[in-house]
Amino acid sequence: DIQMTQSPSSLSTSVGDRVTISCRASQSISPYLNWYQQKPGGAPKLLIYAASRVESGGPSRFSGNGSGTDFTLTISNLQPEDLATYFCQQTYRIPYTFGQGTKLEI
Amino acid sequence: QVQLQQWGAGLLKPSETLSLTCAVNGGSFGGYDWTWVRQSPGKGLEWIGEITHSGRTTYNPSLKSRVALSVDTSKSQFSLRVTSVTAADTAVYFCVRGDRRDYYYYLDVWGNGTTVTVSS
Repeated sequence: DIQMTQSPSSLSTSVGDRVTISCRASQSISPYLNWYQQKPGGAPKLLIYAASRVESGGPSRFSGNGSGTDFTLTISNLQPEDLATYFCQQTYRIPYTFGQGTKLEI
Repeated sequence: QVQLQQWGAGLLKPSETLSLTCAVNGGSFGGYDWTWVRQSPGKGLEWIGEITHSGRTTYNPSLKSRVALSVDTSKSQFSLRVTSVTAADTAVYFCVRGDRRDYYYYLDVWGNGTTVTVSS
């Protein structure tokens, strides 16, 4: 299976910050990388697909980048509603696998 | 706007069979991959498998021997069965819609999740 490793596991932030979360795959998966946001008690929500394509309706402050094995999710001008855990997922090869998550604390 | 409504037994004993069903409301059933994902504190998010409206299945090899997916197109529903459950199957189970744009695959509509606990 392709292993997905996120860093950091948690991050203490402030409103207005620019935040970057990293995701590394155990082999090249470019650009089959998605990002999801999960708020406490809720289901994950798709934010970014194909590494950098923003899901329709998603806030413009979310952006994705990367290629090969290394990818990033950036949140510019962090808002209180961005308090959540963020997961990356590779869809290059079955079984599709997820990172362990990065929890943002505001 | 499509919504997924899921249900099933939440408390099982070891060796029993887990059974969950998901109804697709307000959208097309064809053309998507209907997926199950589970989430546990120990293993995080785990992709279980997917099924198309025509019944073609793809499973996570780690679960394939115990998992079966099925569809009922007349009701726009799909179901998950996991046999011989153990405590390791304790998790929140989500039904999810898988879609593609160009060649890129993603999970874009999620059910609310069902908490399944396996305990004697």
